[in-house]
Amino acid sequence: GENVEQHPSTLSVQEGDSAVIKCTYSDSASNYFPWYKQELGKGPQLIIDIRSNVGEKKDQRIAVTLNKTAKHFSLHITETQPEDSAVYFCAASKHGGGADGLTFGKGTHLIIQP
Amino acid sequence: EPEVTQTPSHQVTQMGQEVILRCVPISNHLYFYWYRQILGQKVEFLVSFYNNEISEKSEIFDDQFSVERPDGSNFTLKIRSTKLEDSAMYFCASSETRGGYEQYFGPGTRLTVT
Repeated sequence: GENVEQHPSTLSVQEGDSAVIKCTYSDSASNYFPWYKQELGKGPQLIIDIRSNVGEKKDQRIAVTLNKTAKHFSLHITETQPEDSAVYFCAASKHGGGADGLTFGKGTHLIIQP
Repeated sequence: EPEVTQTPSHQVTQMGQEVILRCVPISNHLYFYWYRQILGQKVEFLVSFYNNEISEKSEIFDDQFSVERPDGSNFTLKIRSTKLEDSAMYFCASSETRGGYEQYFGPGTRLTVT
């Protein structure tokens, strides 16, 4: 089955700097890659996603890039703010044929230093 | 903004007891999911459900687990005879889109088996 590896496990950046979180996946048939943000005591919140027919997607300060050949995708957060502090999870799945469960990475604890 | 809700927020049960975790998906969503997260570990897919049947299930989702949509709004996960290792955070998610894109998660139910 699919395996998703996520790095780093903890990332501390100065407020205003950029943060990059990287994930690799094992199943070349995976075609959907969402990112979730989880704040303490809450469920994962979908913040951005990308499908395999696209190499990059941006939404304000957040962007995701996908390299299908290398089987890795990354989350980029620019101009980080204190409210960006949370645990971020990447996930992968292959859609079609009823296979729609997400396989998650272990998470990255992002700490924004004031 | 519509959101997935889950009850209870915390459930404590004794080993061997049956538990039912409840979820109310977003009202116009047709695809429903259960995931679990053991403390400190990855979020893991359990089952997906569409049109009153299971679409996909993981190896974790054995005969002790069942899901049901008893009415037009609720989606439940039943664990027949709980084990200590069932202690985890259980998340319900729902999606409007066929194929499992854009899954929105609830806040979770923390299940503690003693």
